[in-house]
Amino acid sequence: AQSVTQLDSHVSVSEGTPVLLRCNYSSSYSPSLFWYVQHPNKGLQLLLKYTSAATLVKGINGFEAEFKKSETSFHLTKPSAHMSDAAEYFCALEYGNKLVFGAGTILRVKS
Amino acid sequence: ETGVTQTPRHLVMGMTNKKSLKCEQHLGHNAMYWYKQSAKKPLELMFVYNFKEQTENNSVPSRFSPECPNSSHLFLHLHTLQPEDSALYLCASSQDHRGRDEQFFGPGTRLTVL
Repeated sequence: AQSVTQLDSHVSVSEGTPVLLRCNYSSSYSPSLFWYVQHPNKGLQLLLKYTSAATLVKGINGFEAEFKKSETSFHLTKPSAHMSDAAEYFCALEYGNKLVFGAGTILRVKS
Repeated sequence: ETGVTQTPRHLVMGMTNKKSLKCEQHLGHNAMYWYKQSAKKPLELMFVYNFKEQTENNSVPSRFSPECPNSSHLFLHLHTLQPEDSALYLCASSQDHRGRDEQFFGPGTRLTVL
């Protein structure tokens, strides 16, 4: 079965420090993978996606993610957190004609 | 207007009421989706439409009735809901209904069922 596990429900970092949001997936094939961000009272916005090209994917707002097939992981990173990064982040994988989402990780950024 | 819009943004209804949620996309996309977002649960896909035809019904109870009159508009008709149906309902669209296409989301309708 296709599934996505986000390993942390909450992550707290200080402004200016690195961000790591972890995502593991389970799939019977090599899927397309996505990271979305949701700010309060907003819909989801695509940060980046992996579709079997380069394994290191760069997205918007300085985020990037690395696809590691051997570890079935697609962790999201950013070198330096900004206050505006505080939001909920969702990892998702493509399954047929739909997306399967993880439960989300709430990122808190302290000043 | 640009992107995906949803109305109303907030809705409170009793269990015997009938109401409708509306979604409109201004992106020229062919596929539209309804999702349910409940607290502490992953986003749940409810329905998928492609070129106005329903291609996915994720075992959604019949008290939720979708309607897609054209590729730009999507409705979710609500009838005899239960308190556990209270959630954020998100609409999304994509160029086609292939899973690898980027989905663009609306801001959602926050539904409370009393």
